[in-house]
Amino acid sequence: AQTVTQSQPEMSVQEAETVTLSCTYDTSESNYYLFWYKQPPSRQMILVIRQEAYKQQNATENRFSVNFQKAAKSFSLKISDSQLGDTAMYFCAFNPYGQNFVFGPGTRLSVLP
Amino acid sequence: SQTIHQWPATLVQPVGSPLSLECTVEGTSNPNLYWYRQAAGRGLQLLFYSVGIGQISSEVPQNLSASRPQDRQFILSSKKLLLSDSGFYLCAWSPRSYEQYFGPGTRLTVT
Repeated sequence: AQTVTQSQPEMSVQEAETVTLSCTYDTSESNYYLFWYKQPPSRQMILVIRQEAYKQQNATENRFSVNFQKAAKSFSLKISDSQLGDTAMYFCAFNPYGQNFVFGPGTRLSVLP
Repeated sequence: SQTIHQWPATLVQPVGSPLSLECTVEGTSNPNLYWYRQAAGRGLQLLFYSVGIGQISSEVPQNLSASRPQDRQFILSSKKLLLSDSGFYLCAWSPRSYEQYFGPGTRLTVT
């Protein structure tokens, strides 16, 4: 079975600092996509960033970037210059081509003023 | 642009009552549609997905059913709710590619 693990149930970071959220996944597939979704207190799921497994270059979206290590099956999210609005649950998700998403259990991030 | 709607936003229902949650997508055609359930403080559990009208796949056998009567409409139903059906229900859509976009969700409390 394909699984996604987020080993940090909760994290906190001071405003303006940098934080890294961990994600590992288990699959025998070679072609897939990886995502980070954010779920703020409103509970609206928001796509933060995506990575295509065939691309070696790490994806970046403004203050959000990933460290994708395909051999290690690791996909961490780095948030730079953390803002209060970044407080949310963050879900790592894995999507093999033509199959359904597999979500991790989530990491609750609190940005402290 | 595409938008996804869910209603109702909040629902409180007694045990044994029926359920109907609706999801509609605008601005696209022939999307893949998904129903997820999220227990409090937990991850997402895929319940049903649909690749077309009348085509429903169930991921978890349970007290719920889904239907897709129109291309952009996805309905989650139950004939008799259980306490364990309480949770946050999310609908998502996907173009024929790889991203999923989520609706605002429905918070269901079964009393």
